[in-house]
Amino acid sequence: DIQMTQSPSSLSASVGDRATITCRASQSISNYVNWYHQKPGKAPKLLIYAASTLQSGVPSRFSGSGSGTGFTLTISSLQPEDFATYYCQQSYSSPHTFGQGTKLEIK
Amino acid sequence: QLQLQESGPGLVKPSETLSLTCTVSGGSITSASYYWAWIRQPPGKTLEWIASFHYTGTTFYNPSVKNRAIISVDRSKSQVSLKLSSVTATDTAVYYCARHEVGATSPFDYWGQGSLVTVSS
Repeated sequence: DIQMTQSPSSLSASVGDRATITCRASQSISNYVNWYHQKPGKAPKLLIYAASTLQSGVPSRFSGSGSGTGFTLTISSLQPEDFATYYCQQSYSSPHTFGQGTKLEIK
Repeated sequence: QLQLQESGPGLVKPSETLSLTCTVSGGSITSASYYWAWIRQPPGKTLEWIASFHYTGTTFYNPSVKNRAIISVDRSKSQVSLKLSSVTATDTAVYYCARHEVGATSPFDYWGQGSLVTVSS
């Protein structure tokens, strides 16, 4: 299985800050990475697919980059609704696997 | 607007079979463009993909469920089902159904709200 390792595991930031989350794959996966966020008690929501394509309806403050084994999700200016847990996921090969999550908290 | 709604027993005894149903509305379960999947999340842990099904009968399973899982579709009811046999406490999780495109990037773009299943005697 392809392992997806996120860092940091938790991140404390303020409204208006820039936040960056990284995800590293255990082998090269081209651009087959998707990003989600999840609020407590809710289902995950797709933010970015194919490493850098913004899902329809997602604010432009979210962006993704990377290829091969290293990927980044950036939130340019944090809004109150962005405080959640973020997950990366690889769709390069079966089984689909997710990172362990990054909890983004308000400072 | 596509909607997915899971339903399940809530509580299952160890060694029994867990059965979940996802009802799809606002879209066709027989679309050639999509798989229908089950994903679970144990309390406080990350997400685990379990299986995916295409209406043509193509299925994919996570080896972690070790041949215990069966995913199927009832076209007449627009439902996707999951059966997981010989459950243990480690199968306690919120179970989500989700849709993903046929093709490599294949993100899970629509999700149900989830159904909590607890395995306990």
